Amino acid sequence: AQSVSQHNHHVILSEAASLELGCNYSYGGTVNLFWYVQYPGQHLQLLLKYFSGDPLVKGIKGFEAEFIKSKFSFNLRKPSVQWSDTAEYFCAVLNYGGSQGNLIFGKGTKLSVKP
Amino acid sequence: EPEVTQTPSHQVTQMGQEVILRCVPISNHLYFYWYRQILGQKVEFLVSFYNNEISEKSEIFDDQFSVERPDGSNFTLKIRSTKLEDSAMYFCASMSLRQGTDTQYFGPGTRLTVL
Repeated sequence: AQSVSQHNHHVILSEAASLELGCNYSYGGTVNLFWYVQYPGQHLQLLLKYFSGDPLVKGIKGFEAEFIKSKFSFNLRKPSVQWSDTAEYFCAVLNYGGSQGNLIFGKGTKLSVKP
Repeated sequence: EPEVTQTPSHQVTQMGQEVILRCVPISNHLYFYWYRQILGQKVEFLVSFYNNEISEKSEIFDDQFSVERPDGSNFTLKIRSTKLEDSAMYFCASMSLRQGTDTQYFGPGTRLTVL
């Protein structure tokens, strides 16, 4: 079965620091990968996704992620974080086991940005 | 921008009681999902639904759970006899078409507390 690992449970950064959140997945075949963000009190929102093509994916709010197949990784990056990026970040892989697919999530990484 | 909505935002119930969690997916979406997140744990897939049928369900989705699309807009999750371990955040999601690049859009969640 596919699985997703996010190794950082809680990351604390100062504003303007660079961010990299790790995500590793287990499946060796074709994968579709996502990063979702959950701001305090809000629903899960899609930041970016990778299905095919350029392994460097740009998302909303200045986020990007790089798909590295050889490392089974899909790390999320942002060059300069803002206080408003304080949220929980979830990496997910699409599991095509069923007829319409479902998402398998990592445990999430809580990001706290100090002003 | 259209959103998935869920009601109630918080439900408190006694063990053994039935609960119904409601979701209104985005109006032109055809694929529906329920996920849950127990506090401190991963977001886990429960069930997917298309064309008035369950497409796939996880091991969590046992006989105590059922889903229904009673009309053209609502999508409900029923737990027949709640247990303490059902306490979690329940997220509904919807997707327009099962294509290579489609995204699941999530609602804000219902926090279920079983006493």
